[in-house]
Amino acid sequence: GAVVSQHPSRVICKSGTSVKIECRSLDFQATTMFWYRQFPKQSLMLMATSNEGSKATYEQGVEKDKFLINHASLTLSTLTVTSAHPEDSSFYICSARKGQGRNTEAFFGQGTRLTVV
Amino acid sequence: GEDVEQSLFLSVREGDSSVINCTYTDSSSTYLYWYKQEPGAGLQLLTYIFSNMDMKQDQRLTVLLNKKDKHLSLRIADTQTGDSAIYFCAESIGSSASKIIFGSGTRLSIRP
Repeated sequence: GAVVSQHPSRVICKSGTSVKIECRSLDFQATTMFWYRQFPKQSLMLMATSNEGSKATYEQGVEKDKFLINHASLTLSTLTVTSAHPEDSSFYICSARKGQGRNTEAFFGQGTRLTVV
Repeated sequence: GEDVEQSLFLSVREGDSSVINCTYTDSSSTYLYWYKQEPGAGLQLLTYIFSNMDMKQDQRLTVLLNKKDKHLSLRIADTQTGDSAIYFCAESIGSSASKIIFGSGTRLSIRP
């Protein structure tokens, strides 16, 4: 398989501050990465699709100014939660596709548990 | 719309088989996946099946796909305590199969 590293695994921040989460594909190039959010005891919800070198595509209901996504290289995408509030506390998971098109697998990071106090 | 549904809970006795069911709505799905999530951890891809297949077996895991009914199942043979986790069914959709949509997850618990 392929490895996707997500950092940090846990973060606690104060309300009003910003937090950056990194997602790296360690042994392959990922033109597309995805960011998901998981609330307790619920499924993963796709937040946005991050494309290398272009703007991210956000799902309906996700505030693009609040969740800033940057995909600066073929191996790194970042999600910045700006002006975090307690309701942003959640488990955030990224995934990266190895290759393009239909015949590709998606590999997931280990997730970041964000707690806003 | 895109929707993936699964039951929330399943309890089985250790050593028995577990069958987790899933239904999906998008007939253009190309790949269908089963992921395992242990407490506080990320997702582990267990297995996947291409939409033109109807069965795939991988050691203790058997995936059955009924494309006509849009029904997917995961059978775990000889269920062990280490199989306790949440199992997510997911489908890839979109013109280049770029999105993955997840079900709500089925929490599998094992009783002695």
